Amino acid sequence: AQRVTQPEKLLSVFKGAPVELKCNYSYSGSPELFWYVQYSRQRLQLLLRHISRESIKGFTADLNKGETSFHLKKPFAQEEDSAMYYCALSGRDSSYKLIFGSGTRLLVRP
Amino acid sequence: NAGVTQTPKFQVLKTGQSMTLQCAQDMNHEYMSWYRQDPGMGLRLIHYSVGAGITDQGEVPNGYNVSRSTTEDFPLRLLSAAPSQTSVYFCASSRQGTSYEQYFGPGTRLTVT
Repeated sequence: AQRVTQPEKLLSVFKGAPVELKCNYSYSGSPELFWYVQYSRQRLQLLLRHISRESIKGFTADLNKGETSFHLKKPFAQEEDSAMYYCALSGRDSSYKLIFGSGTRLLVRP
Repeated sequence: NAGVTQTPKFQVLKTGQSMTLQCAQDMNHEYMSWYRQDPGMGLRLIHYSVGAGITDQGEVPNGYNVSRSTTEDFPLRLLSAAPSQTSVYFCASSRQGTSYEQYFGPGTRLTVT
């Protein structure tokens, strides 16, 4: 079964602390993995994708095929990082069909 | 570019009523999708389209119809609204191919009483 699991509903950290948002997936094949973010009163937007291996707003995510994980990390959290984060996957031939996790709300306290 | 637009922003329906949620994009994207967002469940795919005249079902299609007569528009129809359809609905579009970013609309908050 194709599934994305985000085990934490809420993650609360202090400003400057490291952040790791967990994402595990189940997929029979070679998936594409993404992180989407929804800031307060804004629309859902792409944060990063595994295939581009980029760092966006200080966030990185490495695809670990052995552990079927795609955790999102940032060494020093900022207050403006507070948002809802969704991990998502798609098949390589069906990028229009995203499977989302249930989301993790990140709260960065001053 | 306006990107992906959705109307209305908010809607309250009574059980059994029908309505159409509108979605339009001006980026000439081939792919368009409808998702619903429910607390604790993330976003779930309702229907999608890979081009004008082509639609298919997603994960939760029951109670919804779609059509794609033009590249720009992808309306979602609720045939007979039920309280279980109370949700926030998002439309998204993307370019054809793999690993392209999906662009989301602002959402429509629907309440069925």
